[in-house]
Amino acid sequence: KAGVTQTPRYLIKTRGQQVTLSCSPISGHRSVSWYQQTPGQGLQFLFEYFSETQRNKGNFPGRFSGRQFSNSRSEMNVSTLELGDSALYLCASSPEGADTQYFGPGTRLTVL
Amino acid sequence: QKEVEQNSGPLSVPEGAIASLNCTYSDRGSQSFFWYRQYSGKSPELIMSIYSNGDKEDGRFTAQLNKASQYVSLLIRDSQPSDSATYLCAVNPNNNDMRFGAGTRLTVKP
Repeated sequence: KAGVTQTPRYLIKTRGQQVTLSCSPISGHRSVSWYQQTPGQGLQFLFEYFSETQRNKGNFPGRFSGRQFSNSRSEMNVSTLELGDSALYLCASSPEGADTQYFGPGTRLTVL
Repeated sequence: QKEVEQNSGPLSVPEGAIASLNCTYSDRGSQSFFWYRQYSGKSPELIMSIYSNGDKEDGRFTAQLNKASQYVSLLIRDSQPSDSATYLCAVNPNNNDMRFGAGTRLTVKP
């Protein structure tokens, strides 16, 4: 089976812009979770989607949003980018009925 | 108090030695526990999952769980230079609401 894929792998934006990141889960996985990883804060949970519904949400401002499509692919959007949003954004998928998460390669976002 | 705490290291062990990585968590109701390995510049890779008190072995890796002490550990036997990475402890207090520790950086010296 192909693993979790994320696009794009690298992104450079300027403050105030918005960005959309994409994640395709492992085939058959319906749960998709998003994380932000920074050297200072480590891995922080953003949100989790299952069957097109947000099931859990972490402690991030409303500028961070996401959605999931009927084919389980997910997107996350960050509006009004700030310098502090520079991070590695990771997506992980889980099979139904299990909480083991498998990570994609991540999208490295740099905000200038 | 952080939800998941790990010693950030770095932890340095000689090749062939046993590396011991520790993790404590705050949510007593947590039921699922995971160890991930993350090489520099890469994404986390699942090594072990453990759900019951006691030991779980997989090759050179052994995960240990003590729910009464809210403690999880990972032992790596016969450590190899290729084991040099950051090891992340993850705890699931609620369905797929995973909490990660800051990670312990392990260096295995030849």
